[in-house]
Amino acid sequence: DIVMTQSPDSLAVSLGERATINCKSSQSVLYSSNNTRYLAWYQQKPGQPPKLLIYWASTRESGVPDRFSGSGSGTDFTLTISSLQAEDVAAYYCQQYYSTPPTFGQGTKVEVK
Amino acid sequence: EVQLLESGGGLVQPGGSLRLSCAASGFTFSSYVMSWVRQAPRKGLEWVSTISGSGDRRYYADSVKGRFTISRDNSKNTVYLQMNSLRAEDTAVYYCARGTGGKFGGWYFDLWGRGTLVTVSP
Repeated sequence: DIVMTQSPDSLAVSLGERATINCKSSQSVLYSSNNTRYLAWYQQKPGQPPKLLIYWASTRESGVPDRFSGSGSGTDFTLTISSLQAEDVAAYYCQQYYSTPPTFGQGTKVEVK
Repeated sequence: EVQLLESGGGLVQPGGSLRLSCAASGFTFSSYVMSWVRQAPRKGLEWVSTISGSGDRRYYADSVKGRFTISRDNSKNTVYLQMNSLRAEDTAVYYCARGTGGKFGGWYFDLWGRGTLVTVSP
């Protein structure tokens, strides 16, 4: 199984500042045949189900604010919130879908400093 | 409205059984892979099982293989998870999720239900 490791486990950021979450996979999730990165990001607010933010490593889901962006390649990926808003307080998870079983990172909690 | 609605959770003793249901609406159900993903209390997300749109292919996490069975009824727009030989470590919120992916590899999950809580305890 591919192991997904996120860092940090938690971070506190001031409103309006940038938040950066890292995700590392134990093997590449890049399909070289089509140059596609099989990596998704989710947001989960307390008491709610996860919500898809980003797929194919950098494609924003419809309706997701453009302050959320994804980047990276191969084994190292980043979710960036360019200007933290109060409503962004949540846990964030990365997930690989390069192979079965699909696996998630352990999560990163983002709060307001 | 596009949505998923789970039901069937509850308290069950170790060794017992439970069947979860997930009713889908607002999209062409048979065109999508459907999955179950669980979250133990104060823990992260764990994929449990996936079934293809036609129901001919099923996939399971090692932790539930041989104990859980996923199925679907496309005439009812419903996916099920039959859980047998339940253990304390199966205690979690179980989410139904719609899967999407590419030609290769697995699935990401673009639509989630609100979840149903399963508690396995004496």
